[in-house]
Amino acid sequence: QSALTQPRSVSGSPGQSVTISCTGTSSDVGGYKYVSWFQQHPGKAPKVMIYDVSKRPSGVPDRFSGSKSGNTASLTISGLQAEDEADYYCCSFAPTYTYVFGTGTKVTVL
Amino acid sequence: EVQLVESGGGLVQPGRSLRLSCVASGFNFDDYAMHWVRQTPGMGLEWVSGITWNSDSIGYAGSVKGRFTISRDNAKNSLFLQMNTLRPEDTALYYCAAAGVSDFDYWGQGTLVTVSA
Repeated sequence: QSALTQPRSVSGSPGQSVTISCTGTSSDVGGYKYVSWFQQHPGKAPKVMIYDVSKRPSGVPDRFSGSKSGNTASLTISGLQAEDEADYYCCSFAPTYTYVFGTGTKVTVL
Repeated sequence: EVQLVESGGGLVQPGRSLRLSCVASGFNFDDYAMHWVRQTPGMGLEWVSGITWNSDSIGYAGSVKGRFTISRDNAKNSLFLQMNTLRPEDTALYYCAAAGVSDFDYWGQGTLVTVSA
């Protein structure tokens, strides 16, 4: 199972919106409604921000939203804030009870 | 408070074995599927293995299949990863994670495994 493809980095100014793409195949992203997104700050464990493509766990700001079209999932951060600067990873369920993570995207707040 | 505490990491020579443990507290462990996820220093996340609440379904990444074995002891709120025939490319920080509402709700702080001669 190959890693899902994400852009290495995206950036935006405070208040702007940024979107991170996550491209897989019909065997993972395209085949299931189980795509999650994680935020990871340096030296910290990942934190789930979006699950099941577009659901937000309790406590996650509604500035974070997820969607999917075909084999590509997306995470949008609206109203970018300084604390959003972190690494972001997507993850998809895949056949026979396996999962595959994305390559990771560094979000920089200018 | 939910806690996942990993242990068992360390320095090991290529070809040798290591057993990781993860002790859970603060939630009903036997209701949750569990996973191991690893991260090479400065690199990305890689899912390693997962197990359902009753051990009915188990999955492995292709890179570890046949060498690693995941198991759990619900009576002891514990998750394990037996790692055999270790390779230098297995060097990573190993996290355990619990699946609740999402597939990876809770994460531990990780235990570092270094495979080197």
